[in-house]
Amino acid sequence: QKEVEQNSGPLSVPEGAIASLNCTYSDRGSQSFFWYRQYSGKSPELIMFIYSNGDKEDGRFTAQLNKASQYVSLLIRDSQPSDSATYLCAGDGGATNKLIFGTGTLLAVQP
Amino acid sequence: NAGVMQNPRHLVRRRGQEARLRCSPMKGHSHVYWYRQLPEEGLKFMVYLQKENIIDESGMPKERFSAEFPKEGPSILRIQQVVRGDSAAYFCASSPVTGNNQPQHFGDGTRLSIL
Repeated sequence: QKEVEQNSGPLSVPEGAIASLNCTYSDRGSQSFFWYRQYSGKSPELIMFIYSNGDKEDGRFTAQLNKASQYVSLLIRDSQPSDSATYLCAGDGGATNKLIFGTGTLLAVQP
Repeated sequence: NAGVMQNPRHLVRRRGQEARLRCSPMKGHSHVYWYRQLPEEGLKFMVYLQKENIIDESGMPKERFSAEFPKEGPSILRIQQVVRGDSAAYFCASSPVTGNNQPQHFGDGTRLSIL
């Protein structure tokens, strides 16, 4: 059973701080990992994806992948109240590219 | 709007009725994925389709659920004889090609409520 695990939170950070969201996965065959943001009652919105070990930066967001430790993280710098949402980590589930999602981490940025 | 289009946004059915959910992929995308999100749970893969082909239905319940993506028109997720446990948000996603590294973009979903 391929699994992606996330701490459900809530993770509470003050405005302007760095929010660190973490994810582990069980399938060593997974190659690509995706972070989606989902506001309550809305659809998942792609934030970043990563498939190489190391860091990938896009604006205030940095995704990190460590395949040896089977660990993925998302850092959000200068957190804003508008970043408050559930962050979903997903890994590819095989040749058909289906995504295996974690249950999400609820982030609350306090003004 | 060039995004993934799903309709209806909300669907209410009584137990035993049929539910039909529609999804038109983003322009230029030929791969469609359906996911279900139960209340307070994560997204679960159901089925992956290309035009006129079901590629992976490993997440689809064996009974009452079916999906298609015809040569013309949207992809359809069909649920027959709905039960209360089918109440969920159903999301469709699309990608341009298959294989790793291809991000999937999601539609706004259909919220299905069973009375």
